[in-house]
Formats: sequence, structure tokens, C-alpha cells
Amino acid sequence: AQKITQTQPGMFVQEKEAVTLDCTYDTSDPSYGLFWYKQPSSGEMIFLIYQGSYDQQNATEGRYSLNFQKARKSANLVISASQLGDSAMYFCAMRPYSGAGSYQLTFGKGTKLSVIP
Amino acid sequence: GAGVSQSPRYKVAKRGQDVALRCDPISGHVSLFWYQQALGQGPEFLTYFQNEAQLDKSGLPSDRFFAERPEGSVSTLKIQRTQQEDSAVYLCASSFGATNEKLFFGSGTQLSVL
Repeated sequence: AQKITQTQPGMFVQEKEAVTLDCTYDTSDPSYGLFWYKQPSSGEMIFLIYQGSYDQQNATEGRYSLNFQKARKSANLVISASQLGDSAMYFCAMRPYSGAGSYQLTFGKGTKLSVIP
Repeated sequence: GAGVSQSPRYKVAKRGQDVALRCDPISGHVSLFWYQQALGQGPEFLTYFQNEAQLDKSGLPSDRFFAERPEGSVSTLKIQRTQQEDSAVYLCASSFGATNEKLFFGSGTQLSVL
């Protein structure tokens, strides 16, 4: 079974500053994918970034980067130059690449990010 | 439409009623998923379709939950004899391929069972 832990229920960041959202995971699968999704108040989950467990380099997508530390089982999201539109819930998720649950994303409980003008 | 469309956006049901939730995925997307999101929690997997085949239904909470995608496009999640614990947001997501990592989610159906 997979488990995702997001220890920060809420975070505040000043506009234009960088912020790190924490995520740790637990799995016994040898290969897996790690994801971050954003959920604004409209309810729609928006894909932000993906990291494969065998990828050597940390993933980046525009202002988003994933700080992947495999030995520590952590996959923190870094948002640079925060904007007011970044205020939302952020979910870390993972999917194993083998076994019965290989189609299933397991999500954490989320972190609510508030960007202060 | 350009995105994943779900209807209705809100549904209120009396305990014991049957409900049907509809999902229109992005045209041409092979994979379709249903997730359940309780208040203050992350989404939890319910079921997965690849075209019309339901390949994983291990997340369905009970035999009162049933999902179908008969022609490999539109999907319906049906809940029979609804109970209060079924109250949640039901999210549908689709992706282009069988192993595509990027899921596109709809805005969800918020189900309230009174």
C-alpha cells in the first residue's frame, strides 16, 4: 500500500516570494510516479508536475519544481515567484508502476496555500 | 467541450434514493477514472476504465456503487440506496493514453445525502 503525508495543513507566502510545500511518501514498490496537483476553489484538480522514481534530474515546469530526494522518500514542491492566483489547495500524489494498484493515484490530505499581496 | 465535463454540479438526495452522476471526458481520451473526495481530504480512487473495459474497481466502497462506460466515452457512476456517508465530491478524470501521466479532472459533482 502507498501512503502520502503532507504535514502542513496551511501555508502563507508573500507575493513574489518562493515557497516549499512538503510531501513524504511510503511505498514498497521499486518504481513509481510522484505528482502534484492544484485545486482552486472551483474544485477542478489541475496537474502541475510529475517525477518518475528513476528520473535522475528533478522535474521542472515553469515556476514549479519538484525537489525529489529518493533516500528520504520526499517530493517537495517548490513554487517560485508566488502569484495571487497560486492561492489554492495543493495535493501530492503517487502511483506505483506495478501490482494491483498500478492505475490508482494515492493522494495526501493537501496543503492550503495563501498568497499575501 | 475542451475539458472534462461532469453533471450535475450539485446533487441533493434523500437517504435511500438512487443517483446517477455523469462524466464526459475529453474526446479521444482512452483512460477514465472516478475519485471520491470527502470534505477536507484528498481524493480517493474508486474505479478505472480503459476504453469501455473496467480494469480496476477495487476502490468502490460497496456493491451499491456501480460505474459504466459502455461506448468508451461517456461514463456514469451510479449509487443505489444512498446513505449519508456517501456525501462527498465525486471527481472524474481522463487521460489520453493508457499510461499517460497527466490526468485532466472535471470540476466534480457535489453529492449531499440528507
